[in-house]
Amino acid sequence: DTEVTQTPKHLVMGMTNKKSLKCEQHMGHRAMYWYKQKAKKPPELMFVYSYEKLSINESVPSRFSPECPNSSLLNLHLHALQPEDSALYLCASSSLTGGFDTQYFGPGTRLTVL
Amino acid sequence: DQQVKQNSPSLSVQEGRISILNCDYTNSMFDYFLWYKKYPAEGPTFLISISSIKDKNEDGRFTVFLNKSAKHLSLHIVPSQPGDSAVYFCAASAGAGGTSYGKLTFGQGTILTVHP
Repeated sequence: DTEVTQTPKHLVMGMTNKKSLKCEQHMGHRAMYWYKQKAKKPPELMFVYSYEKLSINESVPSRFSPECPNSSLLNLHLHALQPEDSALYLCASSSLTGGFDTQYFGPGTRLTVL
Repeated sequence: DQQVKQNSPSLSVQEGRISILNCDYTNSMFDYFLWYKKYPAEGPTFLISISSIKDKNEDGRFTVFLNKSAKHLSLHIVPSQPGDSAVYFCAASAGAGGTSYGKLTFGQGTILTVHP
C-alpha cells in the first residue's frame, strides 16, 4: 500500500482567511514533503520533514506554515495568502530506510485564493 | 539553472508501438532517478526508478535506461496503450547523507498521447 491521503480536495479562500491543508500516510514513512504545482509546471518543493523535524525549507514565505504533529500527519497552515498562491498543493512521503528513497504523492489539494 | 531537462514537451504515439521519453541531467551528484506519471488535477504516480549503479531497470511494460557518461536517461513503454496518455516527469535526487537528501529535482514534463 503506497497511499497518501490529502484533505480537502478543493479549497477556496479569501486573502484574509486562515485555513489548513492536511496530509496523512500509514506506510510508516519517516519523511514527509509539501510541494506546490502550478499548471504546466513541475512540482516545486516547499518543505521537508525528516523524523518529524523540519529539515528543508525552500525559502517559502511565512504565510505558509508547516506542522508535523506525528510521523503520520503533516499539515500546512495558510494565512493571508495572495491570488498567485493558487495552485495544486501536493504532499508526499518516503521511507528514509535506504540510500535510494522513493517519494509517493497524494492526490493534492486544489487551492484557489480570491 | 535547470538541472533536469526533458527537451520534448510532447510525444504522440500509435497504440501498440513503443514510446520513448528522454531526460538529461547536469548535476553529477544525482544518483537516483525516477519517472512519475501525472493526470491533470491529480498527484504524480510513481512508475519506475533506477539507481546510478545500474544501467537498466525493467517493470512490466516500462523500462528505464541510464547512460551516466552522457547524463541521460530514457523511459521506454512497450506496447503503448491509450491509458498511458498523461504527463511524464523525470526526477532526480542526490544520495543519503548529503544536505540535499530528500530533494527531488523534476524535469518540465513530457505530454504523451497514445492514439488508438
